[in-house]
Amino acid sequence: DQQVKQNSPSLSVQEGRISILNCDYTNSMFDYFLWYKKYPAEGPTFLISISSIKDKNEDGRFTVFLNKSAKHLSLHIVPSQPGDSAVYFCAASVEGSNYKLTFGKGTLLTVNP
Amino acid sequence: GAGVSQTPSNKVTEKGKYVELRCDPISGHTALYWYRQSLGQGPEFLIYFQGTGAADDSGLPNDRFFAVRPEGSVSTLKIQRTERGDSAVYLCASSLVSGAEQYFGPGTRLTVT
Repeated sequence: DQQVKQNSPSLSVQEGRISILNCDYTNSMFDYFLWYKKYPAEGPTFLISISSIKDKNEDGRFTVFLNKSAKHLSLHIVPSQPGDSAVYFCAASVEGSNYKLTFGKGTLLTVNP
Repeated sequence: GAGVSQTPSNKVTEKGKYVELRCDPISGHTALYWYRQSLGQGPEFLIYFQGTGAADDSGLPNDRFFAVRPEGSVSTLKIQRTERGDSAVYLCASSLVSGAEQYFGPGTRLTVT
């Protein structure tokens, strides 16, 4: 049973526009959420995170929004750049076991010049 | 500085054989993690080391899988009697301390024929 779901396998956007990647989770014990970015033949790299006590975290072009009641989070990238093209994974962890990340299946983002 | 390195980058083995996958974490990182990423899936937690000891091995699928970290640095994931279903990318990550940002290596692609 997938506890972290990324229902869009792929997303294509135009350079300069906003990219919105979505993630849903089912385990109400999750209290820390992360986004990782992965290029081919490389390991995932940490992008941004959010604690369940917040509903928004921003870092440059990247913003993560958390809606706990809906068990939903999203990653906004604005403006999107061709170098942002990668697979984006949503991940979650539980306090007390925050070393154990549960990942979604990923969304392939393609930013077209 | 050097990131997490994993060797080999690719391993092809026959069903029933034994394999060892090596991970060199970032120097000074006390926590080390192994994940497995099957085709079309996100990384799946296998085991977590704090120092030399396996603090959580709940993700190991069965007793054919074993991992060690004898000196608290390099780790080896060992798979006995490999099966075709073991084919996946095996990712290693390390963090400065447990729960801190995890830095991933590029992975070892294991193919069992």
